[in-house]
Amino acid sequence: DIQMTQSPSSLSASVGDRVTITCRASQSISTYLNWYQQKPGKAPTFLIYATSNVQTGVPSRFSGSGSGTDFSLTISSLQPEDFATYYCQQSHSPPWTFGPGTKVDI
Amino acid sequence: EVHLVESGGGLVPPGGSLRLSCAASGFSFDDYAMHWVRQVPGKGLEWVSGISWNSGSKRFADSAKGRFAVSRDNAEKSLFLQMTGLRPEDTALYYCAKDLGRDVTIVTMDHWGQGTLVIVSS
Repeated sequence: DIQMTQSPSSLSASVGDRVTITCRASQSISTYLNWYQQKPGKAPTFLIYATSNVQTGVPSRFSGSGSGTDFSLTISSLQPEDFATYYCQQSHSPPWTFGPGTKVDI
Repeated sequence: EVHLVESGGGLVPPGGSLRLSCAASGFSFDDYAMHWVRQVPGKGLEWVSGISWNSGSKRFADSAKGRFAVSRDNAEKSLFLQMTGLRPEDTALYYCAKDLGRDVTIVTMDHWGQGTLVIVSS
C-alpha cells in the first residue's frame, strides 16, 4: 500500500498569511494526488485533483503543486473560512489512501 | 446540486451485521463510480470500498475484504454497503462519496454525504 504523510500535523496562522502544507507519498504517484478540506462536524469537501487542478468553485487562493512523491497545497492569503483540516489522498492505485491530515487553526 | 444522504447506521454488537444506504440526487447517478469512506471521530479518513458505474468493478480495502459487500441500484439511485462480522474497530462515521469518473481506477471523490455513524459495541 502507498503510505501518505503530511507535515506539519498542525499549524497556527493568521488571516492573510500564506500557508503551505506538504504531503509525501511512500512511492512515486506521478501527479495522482488530491486535496480535501474538512471543517469540524462536517463532511470533507473536494479542493484539488491531479495535483494542481482546482475544483470549480474553489477560491483561487488555493493551489497545488508537486510530482512523484512530494506535493504541496498552498493557501495564498488565509481567510477565516479556511481554518480547517486538510487531507491529501493518492489516486494512483488501490487502496486509495489519505494522509493523516493537517489542522490549520488560529 | 449533488446530494448524497446516508442512512442505516446504528449500534450493533460485535459479530453483527448492518446495511448502509446512500440515496443520491442531483446528478446522473449511473454515470459515476461511488465509494464508501469511513472516519473514526477525531481521526483521519479511510477509503473502504468503491463500485464502478455499472457494478462491473468493485474494490475493497483490506480491512473490508471478505466482510463487506458493495452494491448499487442505478434505477433507484442508491448505493449500499452490507457489513458483516463487524468488529469494534469498524466503529466510525461512514461517508458515501461520488467519484469524478465512471470506474474505480483513478479515485477522486468530488462530493460527499454527511455520513452515518456505525458503533460496534456490546
